[in-house]
Amino acid sequence: DAGVTQSPTHLIKTRGQHVTLRCSPISGHKSVSWYQQVLGQGPQFIFQYYEKEERGRGNFPDRFSARQFPNYSSELNVNALLLGDSALYLCASSHRVGSPLHFGNGTRLTVT
Amino acid sequence: GIQVEQSPPDLILQEGANSTLRCNFSDSVNNLQWFHQNPWGQLINLFYIPSGTKQNGRLSATTVATERYSLLYISSSQTTDSGVYFCAVERGGANNLFFGTGTRLTVIP
Repeated sequence: DAGVTQSPTHLIKTRGQHVTLRCSPISGHKSVSWYQQVLGQGPQFIFQYYEKEERGRGNFPDRFSARQFPNYSSELNVNALLLGDSALYLCASSHRVGSPLHFGNGTRLTVT
Repeated sequence: GIQVEQSPPDLILQEGANSTLRCNFSDSVNNLQWFHQNPWGQLINLFYIPSGTKQNGRLSATTVATERYSLLYISSSQTTDSGVYFCAVERGGANNLFFGTGTRLTVIP
């Protein structure tokens, strides 16, 4: 079975631009979470979606938004990019809320 | 938010050696997970262990929830064990994991 897949793998954007990151969960998983990992630190929680509804949101500005589709895939959108948004963005899926998380390989975003 | 501290921050081992990594957390949690992040950034779930002891090959983990700590044991280390080990805890029944600061392990041949 395929694991969590994320696209694109790498992305370079300019300050002020908008970006959309995509994630497909493991088949059968209904929960998708997004994390941001800045170099040298552990991942930080951004959003969690379960059955297409937002179930949790971390301490991130409104420039960050997400959604989950009927097939349980998900998008993370970031508007008005800042240099500080440069990071590895990780998507994780699980069977349900609170069960073990399985991470994708991430999207490395560089903002110049 | 909950505080998660890991020790040691860095560890260098000779291949074949054993090691113990520790995770302390500041409040009661619903679950605790251990992850290994390899040098390419891939984050692998090692254990889902809110309490008790689990073993998977050369790795084992123990969580003592009442004393707010967890231990990850690596036996007969191999160079492929190199990377960063993260402990992450969750409260409130969501998938909002709070990650620790990580332990960077380097295994030399």
